[in-house]
Amino acid sequence: GNSVTQMEGPVTLSEEAFLTINCTYTATGYPSLFWYVQYPGEGLQLLLKATKADDKGSNKGFEATYRKETTSFHLEKGSVQVSDSAVYFCALVNAGGTSYGKLTFGQGTILTVHP
Amino acid sequence: DAGITQSPRHKVTETGTPVTLRCHQTENHRYMYWYRQDPGHGLRLIHYSYGVKDTDKGEVSDGYSVSRSKTEDFLLTLESATSSQTSVYFCAISEGQGGRADTQYFGPGTRLTVL
Repeated sequence: GNSVTQMEGPVTLSEEAFLTINCTYTATGYPSLFWYVQYPGEGLQLLLKATKADDKGSNKGFEATYRKETTSFHLEKGSVQVSDSAVYFCALVNAGGTSYGKLTFGQGTILTVHP
Repeated sequence: DAGITQSPRHKVTETGTPVTLRCHQTENHRYMYWYRQDPGHGLRLIHYSYGVKDTDKGEVSDGYSVSRSKTEDFLLTLESATSSQTSVYFCAISEGQGGRADTQYFGPGTRLTVL
């Protein structure tokens, strides 16, 4: 079956530090990969996505590259801000067969950024 | 933001009581999903719907039932609530047109406590 593994948190950084949150996956076929962000008390928001190997998703200074050879989709940001403090979820979706459209999530990584 | 509302937003109930959560969308999207969020587990799929009156089970469907009589509404019912069903419940929607590229959009969540 499908699975997603994220680096364990929490992650605590100072403002303007470099961020990496690791994500690796196991899936059959060719999944699409996503990063979602959840701010306190809110639902999940799509941060970025990639649908095929070597695609780079980017949004709000965050980037992630779909690496099929290492089955990874690591999230990076060059300079974090206090407002980036949130929980980040890596996820994948497979199309076709019995698993159409169903997201599989990692356990989430809590990020706290201090001024 | 996708037009998704969930009701109620908070509920406290007692063991053995039936509970129904409602998800309402204004996007006319084909697919709707119910997830639960628990610490250390990320989000896990309970049930999903791929059209009016068309539903299927997710990975944690025991103790839950769903119904979809209209495109815009997807109901999640706990027939007899148990303490293990204390969780935050999220509804999501997607267009269901592009398969792997489909993005799911999430509602604000319902916090359910079963005493």
